[in-house]
Amino acid sequence: DAGVTQSPTHLIKTRGQQVTLRCSPKSGHDTVSWYQQALGQGPQFIFQYYEEEERQRGNFPDRFSGHQFPNYSSELNVNALLLGDSALYLCASSGLAGPDTQYFGPGTRLTVL
Amino acid sequence: GQNIDQPTEMTATEGAIVQINCTYQTSGFNGLFWYQQHAGEAPTFLSYNVLDGLEEKGRFSSFLSRSKGYSYLLLKELQMKDSASYLCAGIYGGSQGNLIFGKGTKLSVKP
Repeated sequence: DAGVTQSPTHLIKTRGQQVTLRCSPKSGHDTVSWYQQALGQGPQFIFQYYEEEERQRGNFPDRFSGHQFPNYSSELNVNALLLGDSALYLCASSGLAGPDTQYFGPGTRLTVL
Repeated sequence: GQNIDQPTEMTATEGAIVQINCTYQTSGFNGLFWYQQHAGEAPTFLSYNVLDGLEEKGRFSSFLSRSKGYSYLLLKELQMKDSASYLCAGIYGGSQGNLIFGKGTKLSVKP
């Protein structure tokens, strides 16, 4: 049973560029949440997708957008990258039919130069 | 907001017991998670408490008091591999709501 997978593992971009991160949820899960984790901090909630729609959103600017596909996989897009966007981006999946527990993927380490 | 507070760092000795405390705001609260995170890795699920009381799972136990807005994670028979950050996270706004994380407690286990 595959867990949550994310790609790429690492990414280096320059200021002003755009980036797309990808996530495949755990088998049987239909809800995907994205988090940003700066060094030495706890993860911060970006948004959550369910049934291909953004269901909840944290306190992040519109430069952060996402998408969920019919197979429940998801993308996180960040436009006009800033140095402060450098972080570990975590995807977590959960299922409505089961417990509320969110399971995390390995993350994508984004470095903005 | 829903402040989640936990100590920044703790140190303990191999074989000992350590308790990591967490306090949270009770308004809109649905449940509390504990995750373990080794440096550079993703958080891994340890426990989820919804009701008051202690839940034991092997060497790890988690306690919740909803009225006091308080939880703790208890680690017994500490091993060197338990050195990691421990994240307390509250779920708010319904059972499928988003997780609000504390900054994490970095635990160092020494021989």
